[in-house]
Formats: sequence, structure tokens, C-alpha cells
Amino acid sequence: DIQMTQSPSSLSASVGDRVTITCRASQSISNSLNWHQHRPGTAPKLLIYSASILESGVPSRFSGSGSGTEFTLTISGLQPEDFATYYCQQGYSVPPGFGQGTKLEIK
Amino acid sequence: EVQLLESGGGLVQPGGSLRLSCAASGFTFSSHPMNWVRQAPGKGLEWVSAITDSDTNTYYADSVKGRFTISRDNSKNMLFLQMNNLRAEDTAVYYCAKAKESQLLAFGPWGQGTLVTVSS
Repeated sequence: DIQMTQSPSSLSASVGDRVTITCRASQSISNSLNWHQHRPGTAPKLLIYSASILESGVPSRFSGSGSGTEFTLTISGLQPEDFATYYCQQGYSVPPGFGQGTKLEIK
Repeated sequence: EVQLLESGGGLVQPGGSLRLSCAASGFTFSSHPMNWVRQAPGKGLEWVSAITDSDTNTYYADSVKGRFTISRDNSKNMLFLQMNNLRAEDTAVYYCAKAKESQLLAFGPWGQGTLVTVSS
């Protein structure tokens, strides 16, 4: 199975900040990397798929990059609604593993 | 607007069974693979199972293989997860998620989830 490792596991930031979350795969997954946002008590939300394609309706302050084994999610200009847990997920092969999550908290 | 509504969760004893349902609307259900993903209390997201659009192929996490069965009824826009021989470690919120066309493992949107509690 392909293992996904995110860093950091938690992050404290302020409204307006720019933050970056990193995700590493244990082997190459080409560009088959998706990012999901999850707020407690709500449905998880797909933000980015195929490493860099913004899902319809997702604000342009979210961006993704990377290929192979290393990927990043960047949020430029944090908004209050962005404080949540973010998960990377490989879509290259079954089972499609998730990273352990990055909890983004308000400083 | 895509809508996914899970139902069927509840409290069940170890060794028992439950059948989860996911009612889909707002998209051509028969054109999309579908997935089940769960989140145990205080834990991260864990993929459970997937099914192709035409019901040709099904896939399972090792942790549920042989106990869970995914199925779909394209005529009724419904996705199902039959869960047998349930264990305490199956306690979680279960989400159904629509996959992108021809991308089995790129999933979103997700439903709101249904809670399954396995306890005596």
C-alpha cells in the first residue's frame, strides 16, 4: 500500500496569512493527489484533484502543486472559514490512502 | 446541485449487521464511480470501499474485506454498503462520496455521513 505523510500535523495562523501544507507519498503517484477540507460536523469537501486542478466552486486562494512523491497545498490569504483539517489522498491505486491530516487553527 | 444523503446508521452489537444507503441526486449517477469512506472517533479519514459506475468492479480495504459488500442500483440512484460481522473498530461516521467520471479514486462531493456505533 502507498503511505501518505503530511506535515505539519497542526498549524496555527492568522486571518490573511499564507500557509503551505506538504504531503509525501511513499512511492511515485504521478499527479494522482487530491486535497480535502474537513470541518467538524460537516461533510468533507474536495478542494483540489490531480494535484493542481481546483474543484468547481472552490476559491482561488487555494492552490496545489507537485508530482511524483511530493505535493503542496497553499492557502493564500486565510479566511475564517478556512480553519479546518486538511487531508491529502492518493488516487493512484487501491487502497486510496489519506494523510493523517493537518489541523489549521486560528492563532 | 449534487446531493448525497446517507442513512441506515445506528447502534449495533458486535457480530451484528447493518445496511447503509446513500441517495444521490443532482448528477448522472450511473456515470460515476462511488466510494464509502469512514472516520472513527478522533481519527482521520479511512477509505472503505469503491464501486465502478456500471457495477462491474468493486474494491475493499483489507480491514473490511469479506465482511462488507458495496452495491448500487443505478435505476434508483442509490448506493449501498452491507456490513456484516461488525466489530467495535468499525465504529465511525460513514460517508458516501461521488467520484469523478473515469477517476475511481478522485472523490467529491461527499455526503454528510451516518454514524455507526458497534457496542454491546
